[in-house]
Amino acid sequence: NAGVTQTPKFRILKIGQSMTLQCAQDMNHNYMYWYRQDPGMGLKLIYYSVGAGITDKGEVPNGYNVSRSTTEDFPLRLELAAPSQTSVYFCASSYSGTSGRNEQFFGPGTRLTVL
Amino acid sequence: AQTVTQSQPEMSVQEAETVTLSCTYDTSESDYYLFWYKQPPSRQMILVIRQEAYKQQNATENRFSVNFQKAAKSFSLKISDSQLGDAAMYFCAYRRGTSGSRLTFGEGTQLTVNP
Repeated sequence: NAGVTQTPKFRILKIGQSMTLQCAQDMNHNYMYWYRQDPGMGLKLIYYSVGAGITDKGEVPNGYNVSRSTTEDFPLRLELAAPSQTSVYFCASSYSGTSGRNEQFFGPGTRLTVL
Repeated sequence: AQTVTQSQPEMSVQEAETVTLSCTYDTSESDYYLFWYKQPPSRQMILVIRQEAYKQQNATENRFSVNFQKAAKSFSLKISDSQLGDAAMYFCAYRRGTSGSRLTFGEGTQLTVNP
């Protein structure tokens, strides 16, 4: 299993540009999440999905969009990039079994800089 | 809303010594989980230890143990016999008991291990 994979690892954007951060998991997890981590801070939830076709906003959704057409993939779209979106982005997934102790597995992160 | 507070931005410990990282949280839920994650310079989020709120016994994982004080809403991490590889950012995190719930993170404690 590759676990949770993210591409790209690094990216520099100009203000106003758009891009899609890719996330995929091969563990057949129903739940997937996008977090951002600003310098010196903890992770904050941007969007999450409980299954294909179902997404919902987290704490900091402004400036982002997501879609979930398959169980495996959960891309994050940035429209009109702004310097405030400079951050490290983490994708995570978890199993949706009845046990609440199911942990979230994290991808390696994407470092995004908007100049 | 749930909040997680880590009041120690930085801590240091001598190799082979013991160090305790502090975390407090606020919630009105009775069913929840608490976690400590390690983030080394590689940025990968690594689960260190997990505590179920309904369990009175403190969780342990090799050199890592927690002191879970439910009434005080305190969840500290003790690292025994500290090793150079323990140097990292440590995040305390909270999650409701419902399967697939989001994680709420503290702001982190940067741990330095001195040889």
